[in-house]
This record gives sequence, C-alpha cells and structure tokens, in this order.
Amino acid sequence: EAGVTQSPTHLIKTRGQQATLRCSPISGHTSVYWYQQALGLGLQFLLWYDEGEERNRGNFPPRFSGRQFPNYSSELNVNALELEDSALYLCASGPLSGTSGRETQYFGPGTRLLVL
Amino acid sequence: AQSVTQLGSHVSVSEGALVLLRCNYSSSVPPYLFWYVQYPNQGLQLLLKYTTGATLVKGINGFEAEFKKSETSFHLTKPSAHMSDAAEYFCAVSWGSGYSTLTFGKGTMLLVSP
Repeated sequence: EAGVTQSPTHLIKTRGQQATLRCSPISGHTSVYWYQQALGLGLQFLLWYDEGEERNRGNFPPRFSGRQFPNYSSELNVNALELEDSALYLCASGPLSGTSGRETQYFGPGTRLLVL
Repeated sequence: AQSVTQLGSHVSVSEGALVLLRCNYSSSVPPYLFWYVQYPNQGLQLLLKYTTGATLVKGINGFEAEFKKSETSFHLTKPSAHMSDAAEYFCAVSWGSGYSTLTFGKGTMLLVSP
C-alpha cells in the first residue's frame, strides 16, 4: 500500500512569489494535516482538512492557505513568500474524521521550500 | 498553554547502551501520546503511541515508553542502542476532543557511537 506522497520534493522561490505544495494521502484516509518544520522552531501545526473542509488552523498568517479535493488530496499555498518561510513542509494523513485525537497520523517525506 | 517538553536537544550513547529520551507535557487533561522518529531527509515514522489501557507501550525497533500520569511524562527507552537508531526523535501530544492535531516537542537528536 502506498504511503503519503508529496510533490515536489524541493522548491526554490524568491521573496514575494507564491508556492504550491501537494499531498496525496494514504488510500482510505480522509484527513490531511500540514506541518511546518523550520530550523530552530520545530514542528508546528499549520492546517487540518477533512472531507473537503478546513477543520482547524494553527497560528499562521492568512497567506498560508490550502484546500482538499474530492479525492482527498490536498494543496498548501503560501502567498507573498518571506525568507522565514524556508522550511520542510510535512503532510500527514489519518483515517476517518479524526475528532478523537487518538488516530495515528502518517507522514509523507516532505517538501523542502527555500525562499531566496 | 498546553506544551510538550523534550529534555536535551542531543543525547549521545554508545552502541549497546541504554537509550532514554525524556518527554513531559503540561496539561490537566490526560492526552494521547506519541513518539515519532525522523531519519535524515525523511518524514516522520510512528514508533509507538499511548491512548488508553496499559501504561507501558511497546513499539517498533525495540523501543518502549511508559505513561506516568502523576509525573506528566512519557519517556522513551530502549535497552540496547544500535547504530541504526541514530535519528531525531519527537514526542507529540494530542488532546483529542475535536482537536485531532499534534503538538510536538522540539525533538531530540540521538547520536550512537561505536
């Protein structure tokens, strides 16, 4: 069974541009989570999508947005890129509507975004 | 605010020695607890988790962790370190009840020397 996949693996942008990152969850999973892993800041929760809707959002500005498609894949968009957006962006998927909190999240390999 | 603390950004052990990675959380509400491992240039892989039941949890690769509510801790141990255990380890907590997101500790890099 295929795991969580993310594309691209690496992305280089300049300040002010927009970046689009993609994630395909494990087959059968309906929840997709996005995390940012920036140097020195650790892993921080960004967004949670389930059944096509945004369920929760971390403490990030509105220029971080995304969506979930009918096939449960997801896009993360980062507008007006800033240097500090350089990080590894990890996507995770989980089964069902993860409202209990006990479900395991399965992570993809990440997209490394570099903003110059 | 609810938080997760991992003591020690780096832990060094010799091959064959005991591995102990510490994790404490701050909350009056019992959480769900997870340990993940991240190898270089890879995503996170679940080692083990505690949700309910037995407080000593066994995971993959010989790791185990014990939930101690009175100490708000969930330390990760392995009796004998192997070179392949060298990686970064993250403790994560979910407080459930509709949140379903993970709060991670800062991570502990485990270094294993021959």
